[in-house]
Amino acid sequence: DTGVSQDPRHKITKRGQNVTFRCDPISEHNRLYWYRQTLGQGPEFLTYFQNEAQLEKSRLLSDRFSAERPKGSFSTLEIQRTEQGDSAMYLCASSLAGAGVQETQYFGPGTRLLVL
Amino acid sequence: QKEVEQNSGPLSVPEGAIASLNCTYSDRVSQSFFWYRQYSGKSPELIMSIYSNGDKEDGRFTAQLNKASQYVSLLIRDSQPSDSATYLCAVKGGSSASKIIFGSGTRLSIRP
Repeated sequence: DTGVSQDPRHKITKRGQNVTFRCDPISEHNRLYWYRQTLGQGPEFLTYFQNEAQLEKSRLLSDRFSAERPKGSFSTLEIQRTEQGDSAMYLCASSLAGAGVQETQYFGPGTRLLVL
Repeated sequence: QKEVEQNSGPLSVPEGAIASLNCTYSDRVSQSFFWYRQYSGKSPELIMSIYSNGDKEDGRFTAQLNKASQYVSLLIRDSQPSDSATYLCAVKGGSSASKIIFGSGTRLSIRP
């Protein structure tokens, strides 16, 4: 399977615990995006990387959230001291961007987080 | 005003009919427009992309873009029960730069 993969697919945690999610993009894609989606809403942008550089973070992303893409391949999203309001589907998408390329984002299956 | 607006639905269409989904956006300099389909509990799946004014057809799907009116639509011909899903309109470019701004989606139900 050469699509975007995410791990784990489901995570249940207690309030106050830390969680980390992983995303593996399509291999030739240089951009990687993280989104959060709650019921009845569209995906909400969190942050994105071009290769290993984090180029943009949403103002909505609190300092409890951190993301890395250390070698420009897979990425991790960590949430520290989780709160019940963090319960959502966390989506990763990747794309190929560059001169003359119409960038299109392809989504992974998502990680569903439930904070009790 | 939301950056990307869609009617939440549900939109109910009989099988075999044409389903028409609409979307408006606020950033006049937006450059790229996408329609994603999302089944319940699944992640978004790209259906169509459109970048210039006019119509773009792909099988049973036609995307229409009118930049002057800041309006993009998706037509689904010969609707099938498997088309029942939430359709997300997404807009990229302009002041939002690289990130995609999604609407909240329109729930489409195809009744047999």
